[in-house]
Amino acid sequence: SAVISQKPSRDICQRGTSLTIQCQVDSQVTMMFWYRQQPGQSLTLIATANQGSEATYESGFVIDKFPISRPNLTFSTLTVSNMSPEDSSIYLCSVRSPSASYEQYFGPGTRLTVT
Amino acid sequence: GQNIDQPTEMTATEGAIVQINCTYQTSGFNGLFWYQQHAGEAPTFLSYNVLDGLEEKGRFSSFLSRSKGYSYLLLKELQMKDSASYLCAVLGPGLIFGTGTRLQVFP
Repeated sequence: SAVISQKPSRDICQRGTSLTIQCQVDSQVTMMFWYRQQPGQSLTLIATANQGSEATYESGFVIDKFPISRPNLTFSTLTVSNMSPEDSSIYLCSVRSPSASYEQYFGPGTRLTVT
Repeated sequence: GQNIDQPTEMTATEGAIVQINCTYQTSGFNGLFWYQQHAGEAPTFLSYNVLDGLEEKGRFSSFLSRSKGYSYLLLKELQMKDSASYLCAVLGPGLIFGTGTRLQVFP
């Protein structure tokens, strides 16, 4: 399995500011994913981040709002830009297992509150 | 488009058996997952089905019918700690999740 850490674990931010969330994995992985989980809801895929290429965004999510970096095979960042209260959510990083191609593991999440 | 449906909430009694259903309509299919998520925690992997049939893993079993776009998660000998949300997800490049089913187990 892969061990995933995220920073920060939680934050309270003001409307109009930006927050960058970091995701660190203890092994090299090709595919990393960012998800959002709004209060009481299921998970929604924001984008797929592969090292060496531009992130691929799902419908409803755009690069200007959620820029992603993937500088190497163990690290990624997601920025939530120009935040509004509707962005209050848990943001989770996820990776596909390097050994079992179908297993996907999740980080502990970053709980963001926008005031 | 993608559409994955699950019941919103279910309740059951400790020691009983519960079946959580999931129906899906997706543009592609590379397998179906079930995850468990306790409140305030990240989802944890339970099962993966890519072929039709039943996969058994201890108290948990998962069934898939690709022709019907249908899966279920079967939980046996329910314990209080099984109270959680259960998420059905279809594999594309990333996972597309259903709405989730909140299961409450009562003594």
